[in-house]
Amino acid sequence: GNSVTQMEGPVTLSEEAFLTINCTYTATGYPSLFWYVQYPGEGLQLLLKATKADDKGSNKGFEATYRKETTSFHLEKGSVQVSDSAVYFCAREINNAGNMLTFGGGTRLMVKP
Amino acid sequence: KAGVTQTPRYLIKTRGQQVTLSCSPISGHRSVSWYQQTPGQGLQFLFEYFSETQRNKGNFPGRFSGRQFSNSRSEMNVSTLELGDSALYLCASSLPTDGYTFGSGTRLTVV
Repeated sequence: GNSVTQMEGPVTLSEEAFLTINCTYTATGYPSLFWYVQYPGEGLQLLLKATKADDKGSNKGFEATYRKETTSFHLEKGSVQVSDSAVYFCAREINNAGNMLTFGGGTRLMVKP
Repeated sequence: KAGVTQTPRYLIKTRGQQVTLSCSPISGHRSVSWYQQTPGQGLQFLFEYFSETQRNKGNFPGRFSGRQFSNSRSEMNVSTLELGDSALYLCASSLPTDGYTFGSGTRLTVV
């Protein structure tokens, strides 16, 4: 099938700590992969994306590398800030005569000062 | 350029009523997809429209329907509302080169 699994939260870190949120996907084809972030009361904002194996997406200090051999797309940030507190969603594209996304369950990140 | 606009932002409806939500995509984007977000089920795909045609549909009952107009604006309709339809409904517009851009959503509460 076309599924995405990401680590359950919440993840609680102190400011300036290193962040990793794990994400794996089922290997049906070579889908584009995404990380979205959702702040309270808002919609989803695209954080980064990668469209093929070994691509590295990056934005605002966040990075994720498309790993075909491990079917993973883990999100990392070297030094988190309080303002990074949000829910993070990993997603893969499904191209089945159309365009749509399937999402992981979301990981809530809480960063304490 | 303007983002994806969803209206209204908030809605309160009574069980058994019907509701229509609107989504205006980014100019030039012809694909519009809808998602339902609930605490229990997470983000689930509802349907996708391209050039006024539904291309894909998720696993939702027939009470959920949608359409797309010639200007790419889309509406979704939910008839005979149930308490379980309370959710954040998100719309996304997309282009192959731009990826998926989401609106702020419509928060529907069924009482």
